[in-house]
Amino acid sequence: NAGVTQTPKFRVLKTGQSMTLLCAQDMNHEYMYWYRQDPGMGLRLIHYSVGEGTTAKGEVPDGYNVSRLKKQNFLLGLESAAPSQTSVYFCASSYSQGVLVRYGYTFGSGTRLTVV
Amino acid sequence: AQSVTQLDSHVSVSEGTPVLLRCNYSSSYSPSLFWYVQHPNKGLQLLLKYTSAATLVKGINGFEAEFKKSETSFHLTKPSAHMSDAAEYFCVVGSVVGGSQGNLIFGKGTKLSVKP
Repeated sequence: NAGVTQTPKFRVLKTGQSMTLLCAQDMNHEYMYWYRQDPGMGLRLIHYSVGEGTTAKGEVPDGYNVSRLKKQNFLLGLESAAPSQTSVYFCASSYSQGVLVRYGYTFGSGTRLTVV
Repeated sequence: AQSVTQLDSHVSVSEGTPVLLRCNYSSSYSPSLFWYVQHPNKGLQLLLKYTSAATLVKGINGFEAEFKKSETSFHLTKPSAHMSDAAEYFCVVGSVVGGSQGNLIFGKGTKLSVKP
């Protein structure tokens, strides 16, 4: 089925460890996004990409890095995990800007990350 | 600048009674508006969207929303709540010109509880 796939679905890290979250979409979307969701905070944009080879910072980028080497994949990296990064992470994709507002986002099912 | 405010963080209704989830937006341009639903431990699913066509928008599962420009509102309603409607609902705003970063602005969410 077409959509956005996130791996892994769950992960527990120790403080200081690193990891990479993978997001893959098969809808040929130009734009991809990483959000984190915390209770009472809604969704906050971490980083986003408007095309292959491009990335940009969102609202809460500190402690994260991203890469978009292929159009269909968007990777989120944590170089040195901290307990404050315990959250649920969502990837989303969309068409380019002019079309975005007519169709919205397609979301992945999320990655639940716990940093102890 | 765009913003969206969900007026209630938590709404509780009895099964079979009407649902009203309130959303106000601010946008310098003609906005597109969306409602997303997130069931427990699931990803976000598009419920309905307004993109400058009919002001009364019908979505999935019997939900609908009315765009009222004079009140800058986009409230979500359903005539009769079902237990399966218990979830968190997000109001989202976007516009072609204002969305220069290519993303949508999310409200902080309203958690809907449905009592038997």
